[in-house]
Amino acid sequence: AQSVTQLGSHVSVSEGALVLLRCNYSSSVPPYLFWYVQYPNQGLQLLLKYTSAATLVKGINGFEAEFKKSETSFHLTKPSAHMSDAAEYFCAVSETGGFKTIFGAGTRLFVKA
Amino acid sequence: DAMVIQNPRYQVTQFGKPVTLSCSQTLNHNVMYWYQQKSSQAPKLLFHYYDKDFNNEADTPDNFQSRRPNTSFCFLDIRSPGLGDAAMYLCATSRGSGQGRNQPQHFGDGTRLSIL
Repeated sequence: AQSVTQLGSHVSVSEGALVLLRCNYSSSVPPYLFWYVQYPNQGLQLLLKYTSAATLVKGINGFEAEFKKSETSFHLTKPSAHMSDAAEYFCAVSETGGFKTIFGAGTRLFVKA
Repeated sequence: DAMVIQNPRYQVTQFGKPVTLSCSQTLNHNVMYWYQQKSSQAPKLLFHYYDKDFNNEADTPDNFQSRRPNTSFCFLDIRSPGLGDAAMYLCATSRGSGQGRNQPQHFGDGTRLSIL
């Protein structure tokens, strides 16, 4: 069965600093992986998805993620944090043979001025 | 813009009084989902529809029911809400093609349910 683990329930960075949010996956088949962002009182919004076409995936708002099979990781990065990046971020993996998505527990990103 | 719309955004009901939350979509997606999300937690899948085929999660309480009268609309009925049902309820859709595994979900902004 697929699963994802997000390391760190809270991450705090200064404005302009590198953002790194960690996600490790478990899957017996090549995974389809996603990062979603959730702003307060809103639904989840897709940041980017990995579907095996390229290991480095670029998403919206300057975010990108790199798929590393050897490390079973799919960490999310952004070179320079902006105040507007403060939100909850969820790593997710698609269920094999179905339409369900398995979400990680989420990481809340705080950005300090 | 194509989107997923949930109404109302905020709903208050009394303990034990049935409540219905609604979701509509203009994306023409086959699959619709209902999630429950409590504070600082990941969304928890309650059930999903693939077209008219209903798929209930094993741990979804019987108190929660759903209806999908057509492609565009889906409803969540809570028959007798308890205090523990206070949460954000999220509706989502995705394309149900043969490559359904790699299709992202599109979420509405949710309905926040409070129980008095």
